Amino acid sequence: ELKVEQNPLFLSMQEGKNYTIYCNYSTTSDRLYWYRQDPGKSLESLFVLLSNGAVKQEGRLMASLDTKARLSTLHITAAVHDLSATYFCAVDTRPGTASKLTFGTGTRLQVTL
Amino acid sequence: DAGVTQSPTHLIKTRGQQVTLRCSPKSGHDTVSWYQQALGQGPQFIFQYYEEEERQRGNFPDRFSGHQFPNYSSELNVNALLLGDSALYLCASSYRGFLSNQPQHFGDGTRLSIL
Repeated sequence: ELKVEQNPLFLSMQEGKNYTIYCNYSTTSDRLYWYRQDPGKSLESLFVLLSNGAVKQEGRLMASLDTKARLSTLHITAAVHDLSATYFCAVDTRPGTASKLTFGTGTRLQVTL
Repeated sequence: DAGVTQSPTHLIKTRGQQVTLRCSPKSGHDTVSWYQQALGQGPQFIFQYYEEEERQRGNFPDRFSGHQFPNYSSELNVNALLLGDSALYLCASSYRGFLSNQPQHFGDGTRLSIL
């Protein structure tokens, strides 16, 4: 059974600081997605990573994928309060004729002034 | 452009009852997946529908069943409700399911509370 682990589970950081969230998974996959969820809201797609060495950047967030290490990272540069949310990585496997996302437990990010 | 819409937004039921949740996919999408998100947890895959067939099922009992209609909308049915079924139920849609690498788009969810 595929396991997806994120760490840390909770991250409190000051505005302006940098930090990295890690996502480890237990089976071969070259499709990984990052989502953001605000309290009481649904999930918003952030990044789609489709191959080994893939790197995507949007604003203060940068995501990367190392399929050999089964590791994805989400790097936050110069955090701002608006980035406070829960971040999930999700590994996409293709059993049969389906696309199945297995989510990590999430990292709750709190950016303080 | 309407995104994924789910109804109802909130629902309160008692143990043993049955519930039906509804989902309309984003315009242009034909694949619907259902997820259960318990408080403080990541979403867990329930099943996925494509071409009106259940294509894959997660680790959920037969009390959870679904249906996809010709217009691509979908229903999730849960029978014999248990307290542990209390969760946020999310519907996600995509175009051509397993043939696409595009991210699934999520609705706002239905918050189900079991008393």
